[in-house]
Amino acid sequence: EPEVTQTPSHQVTQMGQEVILRCVPISNHLYFYWYRQILGQKVEFLVSFYNNEISEKSEIFDDQFSVERPDGSNFTLKIRSTKLEDSAMYFCASRDRGWYGYTFGSGTRLTVV
Amino acid sequence: AQSVTQLDSHVSVSEGTPVLLRCNYSSSYSPSLFWYVQHPNKGLQLLLKYTSAATLVKGINGFEAEFKKSETSFHLTKPSAHMSDAAEYFCVVTYTGTASKLTFGTGTRLQVTL
Repeated sequence: EPEVTQTPSHQVTQMGQEVILRCVPISNHLYFYWYRQILGQKVEFLVSFYNNEISEKSEIFDDQFSVERPDGSNFTLKIRSTKLEDSAMYFCASRDRGWYGYTFGSGTRLTVV
Repeated sequence: AQSVTQLDSHVSVSEGTPVLLRCNYSSSYSPSLFWYVQHPNKGLQLLLKYTSAATLVKGINGFEAEFKKSETSFHLTKPSAHMSDAAEYFCVVTYTGTASKLTFGTGTRLQVTL
């Protein structure tokens, strides 16, 4: 069964550093998403991406965040200057046009120290 | 705005007994509803989905859920719990559209005891 692949599985970074979280969505999917889950809290929407542009973003997704689909296969989330409160599990997801549901990756646990 | 309410933050059942995890949604439009499961330190796995077809939806691992529009509910059930069912369960709502985001409930932690 097709999978969404996320790398790395765990990243530790110092406060103020830039991080890039990487995702390889399912190849024929058209819509791409990032969600995050702070430890002990619910999963929150960050951003959706379609046709090479952001379709919707939450208030969490401020100027410190950006997304990119640089080469038609990868989908990245960049945090320019990490804060302690950015520590969370970040999930990438994708879906096709037919609306058969999302497929989530296994997540990247980001720890900011 | 879309939202879901999971009525129980924690449910404990004995192995072999039925499971009921409750979810209510708020809806301005016809929703699509999902249940996802998250085992410790793992990702999100889709259990089942409702997208305006049959109101009784069967999922993986013996789980099923019934969409009840009159009650705005989408409760998850399983006839007989197994130890491996112990996990966090999320009820999720969205609306079909060009880039519909998912809105997650706060989760229900299912504990299964011997």
